[in-house]
Amino acid sequence: SQQGEEDPQALSIQEGENATMNCSYKTSINNLQWYRQNSGRGLVHLILIRSNEREKHSGRLRVTLDTSKKSSSLLITASRAADTASYFCATDTGRRALTFGSGTRLQVQP
Amino acid sequence: DADVTQTPRNRITKTGKRIMLECSQTKGHDRMYWYRQDPGLGLRLIYYSFDVKDINKGEISDGYSVSRQAQAKFSLSLESAIPNQTALYFCATSDSAARGGASNEKLFFGSGTQLSVL
Repeated sequence: SQQGEEDPQALSIQEGENATMNCSYKTSINNLQWYRQNSGRGLVHLILIRSNEREKHSGRLRVTLDTSKKSSSLLITASRAADTASYFCATDTGRRALTFGSGTRLQVQP
Repeated sequence: DADVTQTPRNRITKTGKRIMLECSQTKGHDRMYWYRQDPGLGLRLIYYSFDVKDINKGEISDGYSVSRQAQAKFSLSLESAIPNQTALYFCATSDSAARGGASNEKLFFGSGTQLSVL
């Protein structure tokens, strides 16, 4: 079973709008990471938030983490057509490799 | 040149055939992974290796085997391919000595191998 589950599965917005994706997980974590995948390509690391952090920023990306609710959100501000991709959360439980969620497909309409 | 190189990029094979997917990296990372991606299911871990002598099964290792020939090379084999192994396969690497330690470890992915088993 997936450790992380993203919500929504798909999201379509207009350029300039903000996009918010959520991730819920089941067990305690060391960190949570977000990755981006352009269609059919390899995943690219976007941002990592540690279990003792609540919010992190990187450019137009803002990630929050609520360990009491076992959830995280990724906010992309002022979206661009080039942000169109699938976004995955991945959890590091310290036991082995990262466990990925099923992803959110983001479509940004120009 | 890509830091994590997977070959081949695409492969079509028949049921029962033995297939090997190869991965090599120039990043100097000690850890390597094989994941498979199916539509709507995200990535699932097949095998991982924390160093040349350390090989571990992931959540879906049945029907697969791996070989860590060197720190830079990690190959995935399907001994007798079956149609439900049709998927996009990714190799990834990570550095356990990354700045900040294990709590900062992130994955670097290859471009993937699309495998179709007929």
